Amino acid sequence: EVQLVESGGGLVQPGRSLRLSCAASGFTFDDYAMHWVRQAPGKGLEWVSGLSWSSGSLGYADSVKGRFTISRDNAKNSLYLQMNSLRAEDTALYYCAKDSSGRLQNFDYWGQGTLVTVSS
Amino acid sequence: DIQMTQSPSSLSASVGDRVTITCRASQAINNYLNWYQQKPGKAPKLLIYDASNLETGVPSRFSGSGSGTDFTFTISSLQPEDIATYYCQQYDNLPVTFGPGTKVDFK
Repeated sequence: EVQLVESGGGLVQPGRSLRLSCAASGFTFDDYAMHWVRQAPGKGLEWVSGLSWSSGSLGYADSVKGRFTISRDNAKNSLYLQMNSLRAEDTALYYCAKDSSGRLQNFDYWGQGTLVTVSS
Repeated sequence: DIQMTQSPSSLSASVGDRVTITCRASQAINNYLNWYQQKPGKAPKLLIYDASNLETGVPSRFSGSGSGTDFTFTISSLQPEDIATYYCQQYDNLPVTFGPGTKVDFK
């Protein structure tokens, strides 16, 4: 059974940093691309970042480019999101999602999310 | 960036009704279009990939069609468990982008 478990969310002041983690199990992690998708309270879905199976292809939403960094450790079956210079508008539930392929295409499994609140 | 629009933004229907949602891309995206269902308090679920392919385990009352810039998502006979918000998503170009969502509820 595919499981994705996010951690690392919390309350953080504007301008500070936070690192999210996603522990994956139930599939061959290094065969698949992985993503972070967020959802602000009461709002729609926003893709944040994605990383191909080999880390050879990656992308970011314009809203986080230059502030957030995605990475993966295939030996640990883990995905990360380093978030710097956080802003109030980064407040959201952050989902870790698995792609059905090794490239950046879709999200066939999702975690339950970790909440990030940016506020002073 | 490719902008995705959806219409309507919300709709009310009865059990058994045929429900259709349209999604339009700001430029041609081939068939690189997926559809998701999100129920309140839950993570989204992939229903349709590559415009018209039904994800494994998804009921056949859900379908998708289209190519280029215009896409359609259909529920052939609305069931009570289908009450949710539906999103389209393109992956032709990075960044990946979602439509704003269509909320489906009962009349």
